[in-house]
Amino acid sequence: DIQMTQSPSSLSASIGDRVTITCRASQSISSYLSWYQQRPGKAPKLLIYAASSLQSGVPSRFSGSGSGTDFTLTISSLQPEDFATYYCQQSYSTLALTFGGGTKVEIK
Amino acid sequence: QVQLQESGPGLVKPSQTLSLTCTVSGASISSGTYYWSWIRQPAGKGLEWIGRIYTSGSTNYNPSLKSRVTISVDTSKNQFSLNLSSVTAADTAVYYCARYGGYRFFDFWGQGTLVTVSS
Repeated sequence: DIQMTQSPSSLSASIGDRVTITCRASQSISSYLSWYQQRPGKAPKLLIYAASSLQSGVPSRFSGSGSGTDFTLTISSLQPEDFATYYCQQSYSTLALTFGGGTKVEIK
Repeated sequence: QVQLQESGPGLVKPSQTLSLTCTVSGASISSGTYYWSWIRQPAGKGLEWIGRIYTSGSTNYNPSLKSRVTISVDTSKNQFSLNLSSVTAADTAVYYCARYGGYRFFDFWGQGTLVTVSS
């Protein structure tokens, strides 16, 4: 299986801060990388697909970059509704889809 | 708008089979464009992909669960189902159904259903 490692596992930030989350794959996954946001008690929500494409309806403060093994999710100006847990997910290995361990974004 | 809804028992005894159904509305499972998937999440932990099914009935399963998982589809009811056999406490989790497709992403999810394995 392709292992996905996210860092940090948690972070504290203030409203308006720029936040960057990293996801590293154990082997090259080209651009087959998606990002999801999960608020407590809710299902994950797709934010970014194909490493850098913004899902329809998602605010433009969210952006993704990277290819190969290293990827980032950036929130340009953190808003109150952005406090949540974020997961990356690879779909290069279509027979064994895997998620990262998650990054919890908390209020400082 | 595509909607998915999980249903099934919230409590399953150890060694028995966990059975869940996902009912899809706003889209046809028979459309042939998407895979229909199950994902689970133990309390306080991350997401684990269980498996998926195509409208043709073709399936792919997580290798770590493959020996215990069966996913099936009922196109007449626009539903797909999960069976997980020989469950233990480690299978206690919130189970989600989701649509997988496009550029290989999960774009619509059910709200999730908690299944507890306990005697």
